Amino acid sequence: DQQVKQNSPSLSVQEGRISILNCDYTNSMFDYFLWYKKYPAEGPTFLISISSIKDKNEDGRFTVFLNKSAKHLSLHIVPSQPGDSAVYFCAASASYGGSQGNLIFGKGTKLSVKP
Amino acid sequence: DGGITQSPKYLFRKEGQNVTLSCEQNLNHDAMYWYRQDPGQGLRLIYYSQIVNDFQKGDIAEGYSVSREKKESFPLTVTSAQKNPTAFYLCASSIYGNYGYTFGSGTRLTVV
Repeated sequence: DQQVKQNSPSLSVQEGRISILNCDYTNSMFDYFLWYKKYPAEGPTFLISISSIKDKNEDGRFTVFLNKSAKHLSLHIVPSQPGDSAVYFCAASASYGGSQGNLIFGKGTKLSVKP
Repeated sequence: DGGITQSPKYLFRKEGQNVTLSCEQNLNHDAMYWYRQDPGQGLRLIYYSQIVNDFQKGDIAEGYSVSREKKESFPLTVTSAQKNPTAFYLCASSIYGNYGYTFGSGTRLTVV
């Protein structure tokens, strides 16, 4: 059973516009969420994270929003640039439990930013 | 420079042969992880180790084995029991309890 879901396999956006990538989770024990960016044949790189005590975290062009009641988070990229074209993975973790520290990843969303 | 190194980048093996993928880190991280990526499947956890000489099965451990004899090294063996070994394998490390993983650049294994 998927605990972290990224329901959109792909997203296409025009350069300069906003990209919104969505992620839903089912495990109410998750209290830390991260976004990773991955280029083909490379390892994922950390992009931005948010703790469950916050509802927003911003870093330059990237903002992550967390809606705990809906078990939903989103990544906003403004403005989108062609170099942002990559696969974005949402990940979640729980502070407590036997697997604390282990990240659970979604299946990823492939973002294409067109010039 | 500190980092995590996976080798080789591409690996070809014949069906029925065991193969070992290397993962080395010089970040002084306690925890290390192995993930597998298949098209449309995201990243699935194979094994993880939070301390030397100890490791735990992840979601898809069948057909794989690991060892953690040194803090810096976490090799993954893909055995002949793994039914679909062709995939992109990613190793990661982190400070225990810290959720910021550092990933290696991956090894693409093709079994023919």
